[in-house]
Amino acid sequence: EPEVTQTPSHQVTQMGQEVILRCVPISNHLYFYWYRQILGQKVEFLVSFYNNEISEKSEIFDDQFSVERPDGSNFTLKIRSTKLEDSAMYFCASKRGGSYNEQFFGPGTRLTVL
Amino acid sequence: AQTVTQSQPEMSVQEAETVTLSCTYDTSESDYYLFWYKQPPSRQMILVIRQEAYKQQNATENRFSVNFQKAAKSFSLKISDSQLGDAAMYFCAYRIPLGTDKLIFGTGTRLQVFP
Repeated sequence: EPEVTQTPSHQVTQMGQEVILRCVPISNHLYFYWYRQILGQKVEFLVSFYNNEISEKSEIFDDQFSVERPDGSNFTLKIRSTKLEDSAMYFCASKRGGSYNEQFFGPGTRLTVL
Repeated sequence: AQTVTQSQPEMSVQEAETVTLSCTYDTSESDYYLFWYKQPPSRQMILVIRQEAYKQQNATENRFSVNFQKAAKSFSLKISDSQLGDAAMYFCAYRIPLGTDKLIFGTGTRLQVFP
């Protein structure tokens, strides 16, 4: 069964550094999402992406964040200058078209900012 | 604003017994979906069960069923005949079937299953 994959599983970085989190959505899916979960808190929506552009973003998704689908298979989340408070689990999700279809999640990338 | 609340950070159940996980939500929408997702340790979230708000009948999936009380904005998950493999984090989530379909999650309930 197709799965959403994410790399790396764990990323450690220094404050102020740029990080890129990678996701490979399920191949026939059209909608892509990033969520994050700070330890002990709820999973929060960051951004959704459709037709090569952002369709919605939360207030968390400020100018330090960007998303890209560079090659038709990968979906990336870039954080330009990481802060301590960016430490969290980042989940990628994808879904087919149609509001009835559900999102499939990847296993997450744990980002630790030191 | 839509919110989802899970008031039980941890629950435990003995194998073969039944456990109920609670979830309440707040919304002014009349059409929406509710979900329970399961996240085993170090694994991705998988959809356990979904409920459309317009359906009066409670959803069931094998050993998993929900008690959907629309007026009370309550959506609990019942796991019958609990198995060791049910041990996981369970997230209640909500979305409306419009726009980007973003999910709004609760904080999760960690379920432990004892033999």
